[in-house]
Amino acid sequence: EPEVTQTPSHQVTQMGQEVILRCVPISNHLYFYWYRQILGQKVEFLVSFYNNEISEKSEIFDDQFSVERPDGSNFTLKIRSTKLEDSAMYFCASSDAGMNTEAFFGQGTRLTVV
Amino acid sequence: AQSVTQLDSQVPVFEEAPVELRCNYSSSVSVYLFWYVQYPNQGLQLLLKYLSGSTLVKGINGFEAEFNKSQTSFHLRKPSVHISDTAEYFCAVTPRAGKSTFGDGTTLTVKP
Repeated sequence: EPEVTQTPSHQVTQMGQEVILRCVPISNHLYFYWYRQILGQKVEFLVSFYNNEISEKSEIFDDQFSVERPDGSNFTLKIRSTKLEDSAMYFCASSDAGMNTEAFFGQGTRLTVV
Repeated sequence: AQSVTQLDSQVPVFEEAPVELRCNYSSSVSVYLFWYVQYPNQGLQLLLKYLSGSTLVKGINGFEAEFNKSQTSFHLRKPSVHISDTAEYFCAVTPRAGKSTFGDGTTLTVKP
């Protein structure tokens, strides 16, 4: 079964550093998403991406965040200057535009900002 | 916009007992419904989903859920739980080609 893959599984970074979280969505999918889960809390939507542009973003997704699809397979989330409160699990998801559309989630990247 | 309410934040239950985790939702458009399980320090694992068709859906690990459109509910059930079912469970709704909205989660603790 096709799956969404995320790398790395765990990343530790120093406050103020830039991080890039990488995702490989399912190959024929057209919609891409990033979600965040702070430890012990629920999963929150960050951003959706379609047709090479952001289609929706939450208030969490401020100017420190950006997304990119640099080639035909990767989908990245960049945090320009990490803060302690950015420590969380970040999930990537993708979906197609078919009738029974569901989002497939990756296993997540745990980001720890120290 | 969508919202999801998981009515129980914590559900303690003894091993081999039945369990029901409750989920209500609201949405102005048709949505798909999902239950995910998350074990400590791990990612989301899809338990089951309702996209269309039969309102009773069966998932992995012996779980099932029933979609009730009139009550806007999608409760998760298992007739006999195991210690290994101890985890966090999330209900989520997704419109077609849209973002997923998650509930706050229910912590299921299975005691021996």
